[in-house]
Amino acid sequence: AQSVAQPEDQVNVAEGNPLTVKCTYSVSGNPYLFWYVQYPNRGLQFLLKYITGDNLVKGSYGFEAEFNKSQTSFHLKKPSALVSDSALYFCAALTPNTGNQFYFGTGTSLTVIP
Amino acid sequence: DAGITQSPRYKITETGRQVTLMCHQTWSHSYMFWYRQDLGHGLRLIYYSAAADITDKGEVPDGYVVSRSKTENFPLTLESATRSQTSVYFCASSEWGVGYTFGSGTRLTVV
Repeated sequence: AQSVAQPEDQVNVAEGNPLTVKCTYSVSGNPYLFWYVQYPNRGLQFLLKYITGDNLVKGSYGFEAEFNKSQTSFHLKKPSALVSDSALYFCAALTPNTGNQFYFGTGTSLTVIP
Repeated sequence: DAGITQSPRYKITETGRQVTLMCHQTWSHSYMFWYRQDLGHGLRLIYYSAAADITDKGEVPDGYVVSRSKTENFPLTLESATRSQTSVYFCASSEWGVGYTFGSGTRLTVV
C-alpha cells in the first residue's frame, strides 16, 4: 500500500534553533512530494514541492526540504525557527498514476518555544 | 484560500439528518477532492473527481455521496449523519501534477 509517514506527532524547538520535521514515503514510481502547513482553524497552505532536480528545495517562509531517494525521505527544515512557525505540518506524496490523488502523512504539530 | 470556498464554516446537525457541504472553485481546475481531518488520522480522502460527471471513491466513502454536475462545484452530502462523521471537512482542487489548493474547511458536529 502506498503511504506517507511522519514519525513524530509533536516536535518542540526553541526559537532561533534549527528545526526538522521528518517525512518518509512508500509509494511507487517517482512521486512528487509536498509540504503543507495548517494554522489553527485554517485550511492547508502550500509550502514547497519536489518534482525533480536539485534535492534541496526552497519554499515559503524560509522553509526548505531535502529529498533523499535512497532513504525515501523528504524532511522539512528551517535554519532558525520562529514562534510564528508553530502549526501543524503535513507531508504528502502525489503519484502520476493515481488520479492526481495525494497520500498524506498524519501530520506533525510543531511548537516553537520563545 | 481565495478561489475555493466552502460553506458553511460551521454546522451542527442531528443524527439521522441529511446535510450537504458545499465547495466552489473559481479556477476551473479539473480535479476536486473531499477530505476529512480527524485527530490521529490526519487527512483521509472521502471522494474525488477528475472532471465534471466523473467521481470516484477514496479511502473512507461510506455514508457520503458526491456529485459534480459543473466543474466548479463539488458538494458532499451525508445521507444520514452519524456521530462518527463529526469532523472537519476540507475541499481541495488542483490540476494534474500540481499541488492542491484547500478551502478553509467546514467543522461539522453531529449530535
